[in-house]
Parts: sequence; C-alpha cells; structure tokens
Amino acid sequence: EPEVTQTPSHQVTQMGQEVILRCVPISNHLYFYWYRQILGQKVEFLVSFYNNEISEKSEIFDDQFSVERPDGSNFTLKIRSTKLEDSAMYFCASQGLWRDNGRGETQYFGPGTRLLVL
Amino acid sequence: GEDVEQSLFLSVREGDSSVINCTYTDSSSTYLYWYKQEPGAGLQLLTYIFSNMDMKQDQRLTVLLNKKDKHLSLRIADTQTGDSAIYFCAESRGTYKYIFGTGTRLKVLA
Repeated sequence: EPEVTQTPSHQVTQMGQEVILRCVPISNHLYFYWYRQILGQKVEFLVSFYNNEISEKSEIFDDQFSVERPDGSNFTLKIRSTKLEDSAMYFCASQGLWRDNGRGETQYFGPGTRLLVL
Repeated sequence: GEDVEQSLFLSVREGDSSVINCTYTDSSSTYLYWYKQEPGAGLQLLTYIFSNMDMKQDQRLTVLLNKKDKHLSLRIADTQTGDSAIYFCAESRGTYKYIFGTGTRLKVLA
C-alpha cells in the first residue's frame, strides 16, 4: 500500500540554525500539507500546497517557514532560523484529486519528524 | 472561532463500549474524520463520514453525525487495551486543510 514517508525521523538542532524536513508524498497525489504537533497538544495546520504554489497558510507559517517541491517527488519544509518554540513533531500529508462524484480522497499522513531545538 | 472541541480524557473497562465526542465549527465541512495516535507515533486514519450521512459503521467503530448541533461521535464496541491512544476528530474545509480537535486520551482498564 502506498504511503507517505518523511526524513529524518528525528532532528536536533541549535537555535538559529536552518533545518529542512523532507517528505515523499504518495506518487499520484496532488495536494500536499504540513502540520505540526507540539508535545501534548493538538495537531495544527501549517500550510497547503497545490500546483506548485501555496494554497493556504496559517498564522504559524511566518516568514521563517518555506515549502518547496524541488523535483516532482519530494516536498520540503524549511525553517530558516529555528526558535525554541519550533520544537514539535512535524507531519507531512498528501491527498489525491477530488472526484467528480463528490467522493474526495482523504489525507494520508507520514510518520512525522520530531524536531528538537536547543 | 476555529476550535474543534473534544473532552480530554475517557477511561473505560476492557469489553465495554467507548464513546468519544467532538464538536466542530464549520457547517460547510464536507468530511469529518477520526484519527488515532498511539504514543510517539503518527496519525492513523480510523474512519470518516461524509456530511450527508448520519451514521457510518465499520466493524467495531460507529460514527454518528448530528449536523444541526455540529456534533460528531465515535463509538468503539468491545474496547480492548490496544485501543488505548489519543483520538482526534478533524473537519475538512474544502481540499486545503484539516482542523483537528484537541484530542481525547482513551485509557482502557484491564
């Protein structure tokens, strides 16, 4: 069964450093997402991406964040200058195309990257 | 507001039924979902319901949807210790994002 993969599974970085989190969505999917989950809290939407551009982003997704689909298979989240409060689990998700009969596809989530900023 | 609300904790005895409740916010949500998260793990899709349905049953899982009250529930029959986890409901707004609930931690007592 196809699945979303993410690398690395864990990342430790120093405050102020740049990190890139990588995701390989399911190959025929068209919509891509990043979410984050601070330890013990709920899952929060960060950004959605379709047709090579951002569709929607949340208040959390400020200028320190960027997303890219560099080669048609990977989908990356970059944090330019990490802060302590960026420590969280980051989930990538992908979704296929809404069908004409109204049955949409669900989002499939990757296993997550746990980011720790020291 | 955007918050999707759930009660924080639920404790049941093994073999009993569990009912996890969720109140969502957007009446135009087309799909509503239930995800399970075990400690340190990712999000596992359990089931989903289309907004024109009132009920959906899938083996031990029953989802009830009350659109008028924007209330969603997940019933787990014959709850097992392996069902202990955090359960998140989520509403889908268009195709672009899910809004997750605050999560309910289910503890199953042997």
